[in-house]
Amino acid sequence: DQQVKQNSPSLSVQEGRISILNCDYTNSMFDYFLWYKKYPAEGPTFLISISSIKDKNEDGRFTVFLNKSAKHLSLHIVPSQPGDSAVYFCAASAIIGNQFYFGTGTSLTVIP
Amino acid sequence: KAGVTQTPRYLIKTRGQQVTLSCSPISGHRSVSWYQQTPGQGLQFLFEYFSETQRNKGNFPGRFSGRQFSNSRSEMNVSTLELGDSALYLCASSGGSDNEQFFGPGTRLTVL
Repeated sequence: DQQVKQNSPSLSVQEGRISILNCDYTNSMFDYFLWYKKYPAEGPTFLISISSIKDKNEDGRFTVFLNKSAKHLSLHIVPSQPGDSAVYFCAASAIIGNQFYFGTGTSLTVIP
Repeated sequence: KAGVTQTPRYLIKTRGQQVTLSCSPISGHRSVSWYQQTPGQGLQFLFEYFSETQRNKGNFPGRFSGRQFSNSRSEMNVSTLELGDSALYLCASSGGSDNEQFFGPGTRLTVL
């Protein structure tokens, strides 16, 4: 059973526009969420995180929004750049233990 | 600091064989987690080791096993390989209080 879902396998955006990647989760015990970016032939790299006590976290061009009541988080990239083209995974974990649950990923293509 | 390293990077095996993958975490990190990545399933958690003990385990059959050594290096073993075991196997280490995981480049396993 997939506890973290990314329902859009792919997304194409024009350079300079906003990219919005979405993620839904089912487990209300999740309280820490992360986004990873993955280039081909490389391992995922950490991008940005948010804990359940916040509803927004910003780091440069990247902003993550958390809607706990809807069990939904999103990653906004503004402005999008061609170098942002990669697969983006969202991940969630609960307080207890260190097990992360990942979504299936969204492949972002930023068109120059 | 050196990053997470995984060996080998590529591996080809046949059905029924067994395989051992190795992961060296970032120096000082005591937690090592293993993940399987396939196109349709995304990143699936296999298990996590902390101080030589398995701390968490995902929903994989007993053919998948692991261990961690006193220097925090970890190995993952898959016995009686099946075609469906073909995947990218990623390990991640963590050691800080922020729960962030650092991924290695992965081992690409192909089962023929």
